[in-house]
Amino acid sequence: GAGVSQSPSNKVTEKGKDVELRCDPISGHTALYWYRQSLGQGLEFLIYFQGNSAPDKSGLPSDRFSAERTGGSVSTLTIQRTQQEDSAVYLCASSLVGTSGGEQFFGPGTRLTVL
Amino acid sequence: TQLLEQSPQFLSIQEGENLTVYCNSSSVFSSLQWYRQEPGEGPVLLVTVVTGGEVKKLKRLTFQFGDARKDSSLHITAAQPGDTGLYLCAGAPGAGGTSYGKLTFGQGTILTVHP
Repeated sequence: GAGVSQSPSNKVTEKGKDVELRCDPISGHTALYWYRQSLGQGLEFLIYFQGNSAPDKSGLPSDRFSAERTGGSVSTLTIQRTQQEDSAVYLCASSLVGTSGGEQFFGPGTRLTVL
Repeated sequence: TQLLEQSPQFLSIQEGENLTVYCNSSSVFSSLQWYRQEPGEGPVLLVTVVTGGEVKKLKRLTFQFGDARKDSSLHITAAQPGDTGLYLCAGAPGAGGTSYGKLTFGQGTILTVHP
């Protein structure tokens, strides 16, 4: 398929462990976004990439959260020393260009559960 | 910080009934998007409204953007069980805001249509 893919689809971890979440955007999309969604709630912006650079990291909740993007394609969101409040669905989206109002295509998300 | 208040949070209706979901803000948005999300999947874009006062129709769904571009509504006529899902509104920053597609999401409306 040509959509946005994310892995793993589900991740259960113990409090204090580190986790890595992966996003494969649609080929050719220069903009990539990470969001976090609590159960049945709206999405909370985490970070935006344009190419490999992240001009807006303002949504990252703490310094335990970091993200990188390599080759203008795949992105990895890393959460260190996970806490129970980190449990949520982490969604990745990409768009052709990072313009306001442009359509963002979302992946299916990674459901993270911290025990 | 731009906020979008979405209401109602939950809506449970019978097949054939009409319903309206509202998104309100004190901030001006350059555009407003409506998404639908099903369990285990990412949000899927339904429509983007850009011009104040704009009305767009998508089969039984009618979307309206307020004249001042601070609010929007989604009206569904003769709801069907297939309309069940989480509906999300999302606003792109207005004048003076960021130029890329950082979206502010409402809290979502969980719609259940009973046969």
